[in-house]
Amino acid sequence: DARVTQTPRHKVTEMGQEVTMRCQPILGHNTVFWYRQTMMQGLELLAYFRNRAPLDDSGMPKDRFSAEMPDATLATLKIQPSEPRDSAVYFCASGLVGVYEQYFGPGTRLTVT
Amino acid sequence: KQEVTQIPAALSVPEGENLVLNCSFTDSAIYNLQWFRQDPGKGLTSLLLIQSSQREQTSGRLNASLDKSSGRSTLYIAASQPGDSATYLCAVIQGAQKLVFGQGTRLTINP
Repeated sequence: DARVTQTPRHKVTEMGQEVTMRCQPILGHNTVFWYRQTMMQGLELLAYFRNRAPLDDSGMPKDRFSAEMPDATLATLKIQPSEPRDSAVYFCASGLVGVYEQYFGPGTRLTVT
Repeated sequence: KQEVTQIPAALSVPEGENLVLNCSFTDSAIYNLQWFRQDPGKGLTSLLLIQSSQREQTSGRLNASLDKSSGRSTLYIAASQPGDSATYLCAVIQGAQKLVFGQGTRLTINP
């Protein structure tokens, strides 16, 4: 049963600390998306990769967020330094180019105190 | 900028009822529309994807319709069950496979 996996599932950290979230897309998928979900804003797209290349990261605060795909089986989202307003659930999704369906991971719940 | 609205924000109905969830979007230049289910503390599960050339899609007790010209979609759930309780999200798919989500409808089915 192919699934998107995300680690860690929960993270509590203090303001100013670095946070790294990891995503393993479904094997063979060549698009990866990072979303953030909050009560106020709902689900928002942060970044989008196609064949490991970043295509769109316009939804991401550039000064503190960065997203990379070091290889086809790993995507990372890093926040440095973290702030309380970054508290949210971060989802990773993967799919195939030209196929519109996206498959979501279980999310990383981040709490910044 | 595309905006997606879902009404109602919350809905509570007795088991067995048929119900309709609504989704509207401001820009009709979409590729597709997708309905998701989200259980508390979990990720999103895709329910139905309607391509822009289609009018509806069906899966079991679920039927989703799409009217691009009016910027609306509905998700019809027949014979609701307590296991259908979840938050239902609609998302329009625009260029480069980008999803724009509504805020969701929290559905509770009472036994």
